[in-house]
Amino acid sequence: QKEVEQDPGPLSVPEGAIVSLNCTYSNSAFQYFMWYRQYSRKGPELLMYTYSSGNKEDGRFTAQVDKSSKYISLFIRDSQPSDSATYLCAMSGFGNKLVFGAGTILRVKS
Amino acid sequence: KAGVTQTPRYLIKTRGQQVTLSCSPISGHRSVSWYQQTPGQGLQFLFEYFSETQRNKGNFPGRFSGRQFSNSRSEMNVSTLELGDSALYLCASSLGTVQETQYFGPGTRLLVL
Repeated sequence: QKEVEQDPGPLSVPEGAIVSLNCTYSNSAFQYFMWYRQYSRKGPELLMYTYSSGNKEDGRFTAQVDKSSKYISLFIRDSQPSDSATYLCAMSGFGNKLVFGAGTILRVKS
Repeated sequence: KAGVTQTPRYLIKTRGQQVTLSCSPISGHRSVSWYQQTPGQGLQFLFEYFSETQRNKGNFPGRFSGRQFSNSRSEMNVSTLELGDSALYLCASSLGTVQETQYFGPGTRLLVL
């Protein structure tokens, strides 16, 4: 079993929809949780960074972390075709070694 | 501020050869981490360098090595290339304190024939 599980999709939604992306993990030592967006043939771009449990909002993006359930989510409101990309969850414990999920391919149709 | 840069962007090698990839971190960043991305295994951590010392290491064979220079630039070397080494190699930089946000470069796409 992988340390971080993420549904690879693809997830296809109409423009303007609310998108929900999720990851589960098994390592209780993880304390730092991130979401990256990766366009084709590009490096990952950091979207959200959260420490421990709780919610964090930035524009159309909201990240949630529930450490008791070992579950993290990213919500995208008013999704746009430009949001079409692969979304990667990543997490780490004490240190800079990131453990990534497999990535979810998102397609927003106009 | 300029982002993380990686050279070369694309590389084609044959089995048995060796390759060296380069990464220049964001100015002021002292930590450089390397990751391998493949369709089958996703993004996997190779190693991290901080102040010219390897600080963390992933589960890759000894054919994968790296180093960091005094200006924080880093190189990664893969010796005796195998077909399975074909991947996107990504470098990420951060300030280097205990836990800092990592910023990724565009990657070097390596194809081993």
